[in-house]
Amino acid sequence: NAGVMQNPRHLVRRRGQEARLRCSPMKGHSHVYWYRQLPEEGLKFMVYLQKENIIDESGMPKERFSAEFPKEGPSILRIQQVVRGDSAAYFCASSPTVQETQYFGPGTRLLVL
Amino acid sequence: AQSVTQLDSHVSVSEGTPVLLRCNYSSSYSPSLFWYVQHPNKGLQLLLKYTSAATLVKGINGFEAEFKKSETSFHLTKPSAHMSDAAEYFCVVSVPRISGTYKYIFGTGTRLKVLA
Repeated sequence: NAGVMQNPRHLVRRRGQEARLRCSPMKGHSHVYWYRQLPEEGLKFMVYLQKENIIDESGMPKERFSAEFPKEGPSILRIQQVVRGDSAAYFCASSPTVQETQYFGPGTRLLVL
Repeated sequence: AQSVTQLDSHVSVSEGTPVLLRCNYSSSYSPSLFWYVQHPNKGLQLLLKYTSAATLVKGINGFEAEFKKSETSFHLTKPSAHMSDAAEYFCVVSVPRISGTYKYIFGTGTRLKVLA
């Protein structure tokens, strides 16, 4: 059973461009979570999704950030018009139910020039 | 409010000596607690978890943690450090929300350095 997959592992964007981060949960997991880790800090919750639904987006910035988890395909975290402050590692986690342990992917490291 | 405090941002030990990484939590509910390890430029790996069963929890790679409700602590220990244990360690509390969902709250991390 493959673990949580994220791609790309590294992404470089110039200010104003769009960044798309993809996450494929573990097989059988229908709950996906996105976290952001700034340098020298812990992970901060961004958004929690189930298939086709956003359940909790209390950690998402109000502008430029969006997330989806379609019926088919990976979950996508989209950042429009990136700024230097968006540079961070973005981790995805999945779980089979909302009460179960979350399993993390390897992360996407976004660098905004 | 729920929170997690990792008391040491950096810990250095010599190889072969015991490891103690401290974590205190604050929760209005009976919490689930986790320790994750993150090696440089890698994702997070689950070391162990406490979910209201035995208070002494054994994890992978020789790590264990003891849940002490009276002290609101969940410290991570290992009897003998190995060079490969050098990494960042995160204490996490999972708290229920009114909506029926659960939320992970991360500590700020403890960077463990193992000296030869």
